[in-house]
Amino acid sequence: GQNIDQPTEMTATEGAIVQINCTYQTSGFNGLFWYQQHAGEAPTFLSYNVLDGLEEKGRFSSFLSRSKGYSYLLLKELQMKDSASYLCAVREGNDYKLSFGAGTTVTVRA
Amino acid sequence: DGGITQSPKYLFRKEGQNVTLSCEQNLNHDAMYWYRQDPGQGLRLIYYSQIVNDFQKGDIAEGYSVSREKKESFPLTVTSAQKNPTAFYLCASSTRQGSPDTQYFGPGTRLTVL
Repeated sequence: GQNIDQPTEMTATEGAIVQINCTYQTSGFNGLFWYQQHAGEAPTFLSYNVLDGLEEKGRFSSFLSRSKGYSYLLLKELQMKDSASYLCAVREGNDYKLSFGAGTTVTVRA
Repeated sequence: DGGITQSPKYLFRKEGQNVTLSCEQNLNHDAMYWYRQDPGQGLRLIYYSQIVNDFQKGDIAEGYSVSREKKESFPLTVTSAQKNPTAFYLCASSTRQGSPDTQYFGPGTRLTVL
């Protein structure tokens, strides 16, 4: 099994930057995913990291440190539409299953 | 256009009744998954299937059953043995090939048992 921890809630101002941290404990780490989920909707894929370092996709970036069991999702130039829950998910071994954290609810204020 | 469909979006049932949730995909994905989401909790895996006519239990399979007779379809039955069935149910699929093998989700079914 896996233990995946994320903060429950974060609040930021429109145009600002927010960093969502995710820590995990697992054996046989084989990739970390970030998803965005608006209330009552399906999660949508944001980013994937399997090697250490930073992956950048427009306003969103994701970082991974395998030795520390740590990842973060960085949201820049926040917009009101970024208000959502952000889910960290870890894959272990060669199984295609994912284990999800409880999610971080980000509220963007004007 | 390709995607994953789940129906219905909202479902109400009386306690003690079995209910089947539909999940269909036309992405030609080999693997399909069922998750349950409760307020304040992460997605929890109920069942998954990597190929047709084969499926495995996830972390919370008790009170649920599935079938995978066709590649495109992976229906989930919530039985009367499931003690707390009211939840948001999400179906997902992936290619099970290469990296990262991203899982893509359907719109979900919100089940309320009265």
